[in-house]
Amino acid sequence: EVQLLESGGGLVQPGGSLRLSCAASGFTSSNYVMTWVRQAPGKGLEWVSGISTSGTTTSYADSVKGRFTFSRDNSKNTLYLEVKSLRAEDTAIYYCARRLSDSRGAFDIWGPGTTVTVSS
Amino acid sequence: QAALTQPPSASGSPGQSVTISCTGTSSDVGTYNYVSWYQQHPGKAPKLIIYEVSKRPSGVPDRFSGSKSANTASLTVSGLQGEDEADYYCSSYGGSNNVVFGGGTKLTVL
Repeated sequence: EVQLLESGGGLVQPGGSLRLSCAASGFTSSNYVMTWVRQAPGKGLEWVSGISTSGTTTSYADSVKGRFTFSRDNSKNTLYLEVKSLRAEDTAIYYCARRLSDSRGAFDIWGPGTTVTVSS
Repeated sequence: QAALTQPPSASGSPGQSVTISCTGTSSDVGTYNYVSWYQQHPGKAPKLIIYEVSKRPSGVPDRFSGSKSANTASLTVSGLQGEDEADYYCSSYGGSNNVVFGGGTKLTVL
């Protein structure tokens, strides 16, 4: 079964850091562009970051640029999102998602999400 | 990049049709035919139901259809069923490997 499973979320103080992981199974993740999307409590979806199949090209939303780093280890079928200098407004469920092949901006497989709470 | 604009709510009775709009700009919806729609039930991850404006992934009922005119995309749900009650989000490719989502529409089946 094709699956994504995020981990690494938790409670962190403002200014703190976390490393989120996304483990892919049932498919070869290195063949796909991958992305992170977040959802603040009671709010809508917000695209956070994307990464190319090789990992050499990344893109970020303005709201996280310079603080978040998206990387991948294709040998482990795992993706990572390093989140630093966290703010209260970064509190959200963070979803890892697979981009549909040959289609920009459509994400066909989603993980259940991992929750990040930024609070003192 | 500014979020796409969706109505906060929509509703319809079982069997009826409802259309949800998604308004962007000439930098996203108006330029790219990469508009997607997602359905999200409470406590669940989003599910892709429309991509590239009007294409349906395998397994999505043909009651769901999409279209686009200029800077506005639309999702139509025909033959409303109780299970269609959910939040719906549009998204568009915005160039430079960026994606922008709409604010979401809560669909109520009366």
